[in-house]
Order: sequence, then structure tokens, then C-alpha cells
Amino acid sequence: AQSVTQLGSHVSVSEGALVLLRCNYSSSVPPYLFWYVQYPNQGLQLLLKYTTGATLVKGINGFEAEFKKSETSFHLTKPSAHMSDAAEYFCAVSDRGSGGGADGLTFGKGTHLIIQP
Amino acid sequence: DSGVTQTPKHLITATGQRVTLRCSPRSGDLSVYWYQQSLDQGLQFLIQYYNGEERAKGNILERFSAQQFPDLHSELNLSSLELGDSALYFCASSAQVGGPEYGYTFGSGTRLTVV
Repeated sequence: AQSVTQLGSHVSVSEGALVLLRCNYSSSVPPYLFWYVQYPNQGLQLLLKYTTGATLVKGINGFEAEFKKSETSFHLTKPSAHMSDAAEYFCAVSDRGSGGGADGLTFGKGTHLIIQP
Repeated sequence: DSGVTQTPKHLITATGQRVTLRCSPRSGDLSVYWYQQSLDQGLQFLIQYYNGEERAKGNILERFSAQQFPDLHSELNLSSLELGDSALYFCASSAQVGGPEYGYTFGSGTRLTVV
């Protein structure tokens, strides 16, 4: 079974500072990896995804993530935090990427990003 | 507005009762996925339907069931409700059967409170 670990349930950064949200996964085969953002009282919105090809993936709102197979990591970064980035962020891995039968996503527990003015 | 519509937005019910959550997928999407988000378990995949047929099952309890109708809307039925079933239930849709790599669109969820 696949799993996703997000290090840090809460991360606080100053406005304008680098955002780094950590995600490690376990998978026996190359996975499909995703980052989603959830704003209060809303559903999840896809930030970016890695399926195949280039390991550095750019997403919306200035976020990017790099797939590092050797480290089984898919950390999310943004060079300069904005107040509007305050939200819950979820890393997820696709079961289908493992060759399993389910098409659902396995999510991490989430990281709450706090932006200090 | 994501295009995925979930009703109701909030639901409060008593233990032992049965409720039905409804999801209308984005226009043109054939796949519907149900997820449960709780403080204890986080986000968990429950079940997927594609064009009316069950496609995949995740951590769905036997007390829960779902179906997808010819007009592609889906319903999640939760019965013999327990306090622990209190959670946010999300529906997501996608055009493909192939899985999330083709793109998911999530609804804004139904918040179920069991008292």
C-alpha cells in the first residue's frame, strides 16, 4: 500500500519569505504525485502534478515541486509567500501509478500554511 | 465555482439515522469519486463510479453505499450513522476512467454532523 507523509502539520513563514512544504511518499513503482490546496470552506484545488517527464513541475500561483526519486520526495516550494497563500496543503499519490486497481488518491494529513505579515 | 455541485452543504442528524448526499459532476465528466475528510483519518478515498458502473473501492464501510444514475449524478448513502461518521464528504469528477492523472475537479463538500 502506498503512503504519504507530510512533515509538519503547521508551517509559518513571513510574507515574502520562501515557502517549503515537505512531502515524502512510499511506493514500489514510480508514482503519480499531486499537490492540492484547500481554502476554508472550499473543496480541493489542484496546484500541480507529476506524472512523467520533467521532474521539476510548475503549478498555479507561483508554486513548483520537484520529484526526487532517490529521496522519495515531492516537496512544494514558492519563492515568495503572499498572504493569500494561507491555506491547507495536501500532498497525494495516485494508486493507479502503483499499478493497483483503485483509481483513488492517497492523501497526506495536510500542512496548514500560516503567513505572518 | 468548480462545476461540481454537492448538496446539501450541511447536514445534522442523529445516531442511527440514514442520510443521502448528492453530487452532480462537471458537465461532460463521466467519473465520480467520493472522499471522506475527518480529523482522525484525514482524506480517504471511498468509492469511484464511471458511467454508472462501480469502478473502484477504497476505505468504504459496509454501512455506506453509492450509485451513479443515467444522468451521471451520484448519491452516497450513509446508514446506521455513528458519531464517528461526522466528517466532510467530498465528491470529485473527471472526464476519464483512467484516474487522477487526467485531472480531478472537487466539489465544495457536504459537512455531516452526527449528534
